[in-house]
Amino acid sequence: DVKVTQSSRYLVKRTGEKVFLECVQDMDHENMFWYRQDPGLGLRLIYFSYDVKMKEKGDIPEGYSVSREKKERFSLILESASTNQTSMYLCASSLEPTVTGQPQHFGDGTRLSIL
Amino acid sequence: DAKTTQPPSMDCAEGRAANLPCNHSTISGNEYVYWYRQIHSQGPQYIIHGLKNNETNEMASLIITEDRKSSTLILPHATLRDTAVYYCIVRVAGTGGFKTIFGAGTRLFVKA
Repeated sequence: DVKVTQSSRYLVKRTGEKVFLECVQDMDHENMFWYRQDPGLGLRLIYFSYDVKMKEKGDIPEGYSVSREKKERFSLILESASTNQTSMYLCASSLEPTVTGQPQHFGDGTRLSIL
Repeated sequence: DAKTTQPPSMDCAEGRAANLPCNHSTISGNEYVYWYRQIHSQGPQYIIHGLKNNETNEMASLIITEDRKSSTLILPHATLRDTAVYYCIVRVAGTGGFKTIFGAGTRLFVKA
């Protein structure tokens, strides 16, 4: 089974702090993604990466950065945390989607609160 | 990506089959149908996907109509642990930067 592991289920940080969210997948997937999920807004894509050291902006990259130094690990960084970044953060990974339509597999999420 | 329409909620008796419908009348020929579910406070769980043919795995069956404009997810013997929000998603495979767009989904209540 595909396993996507997020380092923390719950995290509380203060405004202005630099916050690191870590995600590791064990299936040698090329693609990795960071989403945030908010009530009434659904999932929104923050950043994704299709290879080591490669990254692309999603729909809401402002205030975030990412790092992918190794294939299995994708980190989301909140440069200076703000209260509007309080949310559920979800990491996902997938094989390169070709004709077989590979699905994305999600971790259990990190519920981040910024005080 | 094609838009999907799902009923907001459904009930099912424990042990019975749960049939969750999804309309995707604007689906294109190269778009797949994916189903996920999300149990409260957990990440979305992939269930099944298909292009044209019906598919079955250990969790569920996916029935896609011949014109591909609708599909049904079948949980053959629903249990209380299947209570969740179920999302039907239609997406093109093979595109860079593809993202999974979740709609409102169907909230399935499995009752004892």
